[in-house]
Amino acid sequence: DAGVIQSPRHEVTEMGQEVTLRCKPISGHDYLFWYRQTMMRGLELLIYFNNNVPIDDSGMPEDRFSAKMPNASFSTLKIQPSEPRDSAVYFCASSLDRGQLYTDTQYFGPGTRLTVL
Amino acid sequence: RKEVEQDPGPFNVPEGATVAFNCTYSNSASQSFFWYRQDCRKEPKLLMSVYSSGNEDGRFTAQLNRASQYISLLIRDSKLSDSATYLCVVRGSARQLTFGSGTQLTVLP
Repeated sequence: DAGVIQSPRHEVTEMGQEVTLRCKPISGHDYLFWYRQTMMRGLELLIYFNNNVPIDDSGMPEDRFSAKMPNASFSTLKIQPSEPRDSAVYFCASSLDRGQLYTDTQYFGPGTRLTVL
Repeated sequence: RKEVEQDPGPFNVPEGATVAFNCTYSNSASQSFFWYRQDCRKEPKLLMSVYSSGNEDGRFTAQLNRASQYISLLIRDSKLSDSATYLCVVRGSARQLTFGSGTQLTVLP
């Protein structure tokens, strides 16, 4: 089975440009999570969705960031305008709620390495 | 104070050694606990869940002390392939996970 798919894998852009990151969760999973990882701050949750509905976006750093999930198989994270401090690895993860707190785990995609010059 | 705190290391150990990682969490309402492994420039992957009674998976043993809000991971007979960053992860009643900053392990030949 295909895992979580993210595109692009690498993105280099200039400050002020719009950046769109894409994620396809594992088929059948009902939760989708967006994370950002930096050396300074580690792995931070930005936003998560349940059945395509945003549940908690308190981790989104500011209005420049937005996320959508138009259907169960696709989500985007957009940064507009981008800034150098947005440079990080952005991970998407998905999970299936089977009511098992100990075994319901999140599966991560390979990440998008974003560099904003 | 961070919600999940770990010793960042790095831990450099010879092959065959036993190494232990510790982690503390601040939210006493946390419900489930995990160790994830992250290889260099790769995504985090679940290593094992941590059960209240402690649990073992091959060379890996995880322990939880709810009273002290403390989690540990013991790796016996270290292999070169164990070199990675180990992330302590906590989940509350909601679905989101809170990650520690990770402990870096290098197993030396």
